[in-house]
Amino acid sequence: DAGVIQSPRHEVTEMGQEVTLRCKPISGHNSLFWYRQTMMRGLELLIYFNNNVPIDDSGMPEDRFSAKMPNASFSTLKIQPSEPRDSAVYFCASRIPYGRTESSGANVLTFGAGSRLTVL
Amino acid sequence: GENVEQHPSTLSVQEGDSAVIKCTYSDSASNYFPWYKQELGKGPQLIIDIRSNVGEKKDQRIAVTLNKTAKHFSLHITETQPEDSAVYFCAARKGDSGTYKYIFGTGTRLKVLA
Repeated sequence: DAGVIQSPRHEVTEMGQEVTLRCKPISGHNSLFWYRQTMMRGLELLIYFNNNVPIDDSGMPEDRFSAKMPNASFSTLKIQPSEPRDSAVYFCASRIPYGRTESSGANVLTFGAGSRLTVL
Repeated sequence: GENVEQHPSTLSVQEGDSAVIKCTYSDSASNYFPWYKQELGKGPQLIIDIRSNVGEKKDQRIAVTLNKTAKHFSLHITETQPEDSAVYFCAARKGDSGTYKYIFGTGTRLKVLA
């Protein structure tokens, strides 16, 4: 298994531009989480999906941020328009379906390698 | 909602010494507490976890303790080695249904000095 795949790994853009970050979860995982990592705030949960449905988006900082999961194998996080304070590393993580036994790793979040965003 | 505080933010220890990282959580309904290790340029990876019905769990050189009454839990690394240098995150999760979320602390940067 290739793990959780995120793209791009690095993105440098100018203020006001649209940014789209992409995530492919592990096949068979039905929960997907988007986190933002900064030095000051650590790992902040932005939004998470269960079976492609957004469950909690209370961590999305403002309307400039949006996330979609059109199918079980793909999710996007979009920032429009981007601002310098959005500069951070964005992580996607996935998890196997609830109901599996704990021994099968039912509680484990598997993270991607992250997308480092720099907004100038 | 849940809030997780983590201390210290940075920690330097000599190789062979022990390291302790502490976290507190706010929601008494949280029942699962994982610890993740993040190496440079990579995503966090689970290293150990504990459920609320257990007070302590060990895995070789690492251990986690949980005090439900005080709502705090700690990571203990013994006989530290240079490869233990990384950022460590604690987290708390509430619920056993399909709708739950993992709230992370702000991280501890551990440096093991050779």
